[in-house]
Amino acid sequence: AQSVAQPEDQVNVAEGNPLTVKCTYSVSGNPYLFWYVQYPNRGLQFLLKYITGDNLVKGSYGFEAEFNKSQTSFHLKKPSALVSDSALYFCAVRDQTGGFKTIFGAGTRLFVKA
Amino acid sequence: GAVVSQHPSWVICKSGTSVKIECRSLDFQATTMFWYRQFPKQSLMLMATSNEGSKATYEQGVEKDKFLINHASLTLSTLTVTSAHPEDSSFYICSAVTSGADTQYFGPGTRLTVL
Repeated sequence: AQSVAQPEDQVNVAEGNPLTVKCTYSVSGNPYLFWYVQYPNRGLQFLLKYITGDNLVKGSYGFEAEFNKSQTSFHLKKPSALVSDSALYFCAVRDQTGGFKTIFGAGTRLFVKA
Repeated sequence: GAVVSQHPSWVICKSGTSVKIECRSLDFQATTMFWYRQFPKQSLMLMATSNEGSKATYEQGVEKDKFLINHASLTLSTLTVTSAHPEDSSFYICSAVTSGADTQYFGPGTRLTVL
């Protein structure tokens, strides 16, 4: 069965500092991995995805994530956080052989302090 | 590109009434659409998967007679909450994918409040 773990309910970081939001996953086959961001009372916005190829994936708004197969992780990173990055971040996984069913993590709330 | 809209963005209704929520893909053909439910401060829970022209596939524990899903065209899916009760109050989000694509695009969500 597929599962996603986001071990931190909340991450606090000062503006200008690097940020990391952690995600680990479990799938039976090869994974498709996604990061989405959600602002209050809004739907999810796509940030980036890993399908195959280079383990370092670059996405929207300066975010990037690194796929680590041995650690089954896909942590989201940004070199310099902005106050406007404060939001709820979801990691998601889909088994490449399992159709479109996507499992979402519980979400991590990011607070960036000015 | 890849814009998904939902209507209404919020709705308040009385207990016992039915509410219809529309999900539209504005600039692509959505062969598959998904309906999620999100409780406050929680993740998304997949309710059902709908493919254009066929019956929706519901996740375990989701009442198909209560949450009616119709995907009549490649750009429109509807979710009807029948005989709504206060416990149905939630944030409902749809997403859509097109054939051969690997990314879901999400609508802005609909907040349903049942009094």
